[in-house]
Amino acid sequence: AQTVTQSQPEMSVQEAETVTLSCTYDTSESNYYLFWYKQPPSRQMILVIRQEAYKQQNATENRFSVNFQKAAKSFSLKISDSQLGDTAMYFCAFMGHNAGNMLTFGGGTRLMVKP
Amino acid sequence: SAVISQKPSRDICQRGTSLTIQCQVDSQVTMMFWYRQQPGQSLTLIATANQGSEATYESGFVIDKFPISRPNLTFSTLTVSNMSPEDSSIYLCSVGPRGSNEKLFFGSGTQLSVL
Repeated sequence: AQTVTQSQPEMSVQEAETVTLSCTYDTSESNYYLFWYKQPPSRQMILVIRQEAYKQQNATENRFSVNFQKAAKSFSLKISDSQLGDTAMYFCAFMGHNAGNMLTFGGGTRLMVKP
Repeated sequence: SAVISQKPSRDICQRGTSLTIQCQVDSQVTMMFWYRQQPGQSLTLIATANQGSEATYESGFVIDKFPISRPNLTFSTLTVSNMSPEDSSIYLCSVGPRGSNEKLFFGSGTQLSVL
């Protein structure tokens, strides 16, 4: 079974600065997908970024980028130029290639962006 | 992406009663899932809603407690039966659209409080 670990329950960052959220996972599979989801107080789960394990290039989406280290089973999220609207819970998630779209989530990191 | 309508958005229920949550998608989707998010916790998969057959439940979840229907490719319901205060959670519907390239989208969730 896969496990996903987020070691930072809470983090804070000043507006316009950069913050990195950590995620590690454990799997015996060689082909899989990794995700970061954002959950603001509205409860909506919003897909932030997605990484395919067979791609060496780190995914980027505007101010969001990942540092994917497959050998270390690490998948951190970097948020640049933090904005107040980035305040939310962030969940790292794993999906095996043959998992039929099923996600395994980490425990989450609560991010507070301060003005 | 898929537009997902989940109803009700929140409810307060009495112990021993049942609540049915609806999930409607604006397009046909292959996979539909139900997740539970207990207060301050991460998301846990309850079951996969299979069109035309019985749902597939994860360990710790049973059909008698969480019956699921999926009559077609755009709609599913989750019932929380014989509720107790321990069932107070956010329940989220998730879908994997056809050709989604392993992207999952979530409904806005149902906030359930059991008194």
